[in-house]
Amino acid sequence: EVQLVESGGGLIQPGGSVRLSCAASGFTVSSNYMSWVRQAPGKGLEWVSDIYTGGNKYYGDSVKGRFTISRDNSKNTLYLQMNSLRAEDTAVYYCARKVHDGFDIWGQGTMVTVSS
Amino acid sequence: SYELTQPPSVSVSPGQTASITCSGDKLGDKYACWYQQKPGQSPVLVIYQDIKRPSGIPERFSGSNSGNTATLTISGTQAMDEADYYCQAWDGSTVVFGGGTKLTVL
Repeated sequence: EVQLVESGGGLIQPGGSVRLSCAASGFTVSSNYMSWVRQAPGKGLEWVSDIYTGGNKYYGDSVKGRFTISRDNSKNTLYLQMNSLRAEDTAVYYCARKVHDGFDIWGQGTMVTVSS
Repeated sequence: SYELTQPPSVSVSPGQTASITCSGDKLGDKYACWYQQKPGQSPVLVIYQDIKRPSGIPERFSGSNSGNTATLTISGTQAMDEADYYCQAWDGSTVVFGGGTKLTVL
């Protein structure tokens, strides 16, 4: 079965760090464009970051310089390292596979709450 | 930065046709996608590359994209279609989402 399972969310203090993981099954992460998308409580979807098959990485303006996307091919897992966290980073974080210009597979999401 | 604009809400009676628009500068020159999201669930891709339906998406969902506007059309709307809908496009290497439209089936 093709699926994505995120983990690593929780309650983080402002200025803190956390690493999210996204384990893939049924397909190979390194052979696909992969993304992180977030959704603040009661709000819409916001693109966070992409990693392409060749390793190129792209970030939204609101996270550039603070977040880092990566993957571990041996574990077939996508990561998002989040540093210097702010209250406005509070959201459900989804990983997703990008195919044909759209996101065809989404994980169930992991909640990150930034609060003291 | 590139922006996509959707109406906050659309209402439709069961069995009727619902149309949800997404506006952006020269959006017709890009590919548009649409997602359905029900409360507490992850988004589901319902339209990609303007007009294509992924496997498993009912035929009542269709899309179009021309000029500055992409449109998601749901024909014969059912109660189960009540959800939030988001459009999405690429602007260079940046992914852009619309603000979302809440579809209410009255």
